[in-house]
Amino acid sequence: ILNVEQSPQSLHVQEGDSTNFTCSFPSSNFYALHWYRWETAKSPEALFVMTLNGDEKKKGRISATLNTKEGYSYLYIKGSQPEDSATYLCAFYDGNKLVFGAGTILRVKS
Amino acid sequence: EAGVTQFPSHSVIEKGQTVTLRCDPISGHDNLYWYRRVMGKEIKFLLHFVKESKQDESGMPNNRFLAERTGGTYSTLKVQPAELEDSGVYFCASNLLRGPGNEQFFGPGTRLTVL
Repeated sequence: ILNVEQSPQSLHVQEGDSTNFTCSFPSSNFYALHWYRWETAKSPEALFVMTLNGDEKKKGRISATLNTKEGYSYLYIKGSQPEDSATYLCAFYDGNKLVFGAGTILRVKS
Repeated sequence: EAGVTQFPSHSVIEKGQTVTLRCDPISGHDNLYWYRRVMGKEIKFLLHFVKESKQDESGMPNNRFLAERTGGTYSTLKVQPAELEDSGVYFCASNLLRGPGNEQFFGPGTRLTVL
C-alpha cells in the first residue's frame, strides 16, 4: 500500500513569516509528485508537477524541491500572506492515479 | 476555457436514499477521474475513465457505487443506497493526456452528507 505522509498537520504563522512543509513518499517506482493548494469549497489548484530528482520549481513566493532517491519534497512559502491560508496537498503519481497525503493546513494571521 | 464543474455543490440525504453526482470535465479531456475525501482524511482515488471506458475502478468501495460516462463527455456517480460512511467530498478531475508530468484539473467537489 502506497503511503504519502505530510507534516506538519497544521501550521499557524504570522504575516511575513517564511514557512515550509514536508511530503514523504515511496522512493521506488517514482513517476511524479504533484503539489496542490486547496481552499474549502473551491477546486484544488495545481502548484507544481515535479518529475526529476533534484527538480526545483518556483511560482511567485512559493517554491518546491524534490528528492526522489530519499523520497521527500519540500514546499516553501516566503513572506506568508493571509491569502496563502489554505490546505496544501501533495500527491504521488503511481503510474495511473494520484495518491494523496492528508495535507498541511496553513493559517496566516495578519 | 471553462474548468471542471460538478453538480450539486452540496447534497444532504437520508441513509438508504439514492444520490447521483455529476461531473462535467474540461471539453476535450478524455481522462476523467473520481476521488473522494472522507471524514477529513486524505483524498482517495475511486476510478478513472478514458473516454467512455472504465480504465481503473480499483478504488470503488463497494457495489453501492456506480459510475458512468456515456458518450465520453460528462460522468455521473450514483450511490445507492447511501450509508452514513459515504459522507464526504467527492471530487472529479480531468486531463487530456495521461502521464507523470500531466496535471489533473479538479472540480470544486460535491459535499455529500448522509444522515
